[in-house]
Amino acid sequence: GNSVTQMEGPVTLSEEAFLTINCTYTATGYPSLFWYVQYPGEGLQLLLKATKADDKGSNKGFEATYRKETTSFHLEKGSVQVSDSAVYFCALSPLIGTASKLTFGTGTRLQVTL
Amino acid sequence: GAGVSQSPRYKVAKRGQDVALRCDPISGHVSLFWYQQALGQGPEFLTYFQNEAQLDKSGLPSDRFFAERPEGSVSTLKIQRTQQEDSAVYLCASSSLRADEQYFGPGTRLTVT
Repeated sequence: GNSVTQMEGPVTLSEEAFLTINCTYTATGYPSLFWYVQYPGEGLQLLLKATKADDKGSNKGFEATYRKETTSFHLEKGSVQVSDSAVYFCALSPLIGTASKLTFGTGTRLQVTL
Repeated sequence: GAGVSQSPRYKVAKRGQDVALRCDPISGHVSLFWYQQALGQGPEFLTYFQNEAQLDKSGLPSDRFFAERPEGSVSTLKIQRTQQEDSAVYLCASSSLRADEQYFGPGTRLTVT
C-alpha cells in the first residue's frame, strides 16, 4: 500500500536559519505529492504540491521537488521566520487530477525562535 | 467564498454515548472526505463521498462508525457507543471532482471520558 515517512521532530531553528524537512514515499504508479501545514489552533492548509517527476512546488518561500528516483519530496526554506512555527505534513494522493484519499506522514513540528 | 466548516468544534462524550459530527463542505464541491487524527499523528482516511454516494468506507475502524451525505452537500459522521480509543480530531475535507487538492475544515476534537 501507499505510505509516507517524514523525519521526526521537533525541529528547532533560530530565525533566518535554513530549513529542510525530509519526506519519502512508497506508492504504485505516479502519485501527486503535497505539503500541508497546521498552525496552532487551526486546520490543515495546503502549502504546496507537485504532480509529476522533477516538478517543483513553491509557496511563501517554501519549496519541494518531486524526485521519483529517490521517491522523495523534501521541504526546504532558505530563511525561516517565527511565524513559520507549525506542524508540517507530507502527503500523497495516488491519482493525479482527480479526488482521491490522501495518505499522510506523521507530521514534523517546527519551532522557530528569535 | 466560505471554507469548510465543522461543528461542533469540541465534543466531550461519556463512554457508551452516541455522537454526531457535522461537515459543511465548500459550495459546489462534489467530493467529501473524513479523516481521523490521533494526537501527535497524521490524519488517517475514514471514508469518501462523491455527491451522495459513499464510494469508499474502507477506513472506518468499526461498524460503530457511520457516515452519510444524503443530499450531496452536508455530511454527518456518527459514532455509536463511543469508546476511549475514539478520542481524536475528526477532519472533513472537500474538493472538486477533477482536482487532487483537498480543503480541510478546522476539525472536531472528540474526547471520550
